[in-house]
Amino acid sequence: NAGVTQTPKFRILKIGQSMTLQCTQDMNHNYMYWYRQDPGMGLKLIYYSVGAGITDKGEVPNGYNVSRSTTEDFPLRLELAAPSQTSVYFCASIETGVEDQPQHFGDGTRLSIL
Amino acid sequence: AQRVTQPEKLLSVFKGAPVELKCNYSYSGSPELFWYVQYSRQRLQLLLRHISRESIKGFTADLNKGETSFHLKKPFAQEEDSAMYYCALRDYNTDKLIFGTGTRLQVFP
Repeated sequence: NAGVTQTPKFRILKIGQSMTLQCTQDMNHNYMYWYRQDPGMGLKLIYYSVGAGITDKGEVPNGYNVSRSTTEDFPLRLELAAPSQTSVYFCASIETGVEDQPQHFGDGTRLSIL
Repeated sequence: AQRVTQPEKLLSVFKGAPVELKCNYSYSGSPELFWYVQYSRQRLQLLLRHISRESIKGFTADLNKGETSFHLKKPFAQEEDSAMYYCALRDYNTDKLIFGTGTRLQVFP
């Protein structure tokens, strides 16, 4: 059981480039999330999705886009990379409706914008 | 507003010493609280949750609603406990987790 899988693990981008961070889960979870982890700032929610075809903004959505065409996949898109987007990105999922279930996290993607 | 506060960025102790990582929260309602741990170069993973009232790797955490705290404790720290620890609060409206800024625990031999 792979759980939540994120690719790539590391990436360096130039300012203005675009890229997609991939996230897939094989647990048939309804809810999926994208967080960014900045040093000393904890995790901040970028976007989340409650199911295929439905996405909502989190605390820090500017500069990002997401889509949820299938239950398994929740890619995060950076259209015009900026230095402020240098961070570690975590994808997570949860099966709502089941009591006391924690979020399952991927290994993270370390992104540097130069 | 919902908020999780971890006042210590770094906590350093010697092996065998007691450890207490502080967490305070602000939430309008009945909170659901978690502790997550991130070992070096590994994914964030759940350590324990207040609902289960369990002890994992010797760690315990008790929810104190009067003090709005959920401190993580271990009576005898081990070197392998060195990691980043995050306290988190679940927002029932969105099911999202609100994280504190984290505390780095260093356990010296």
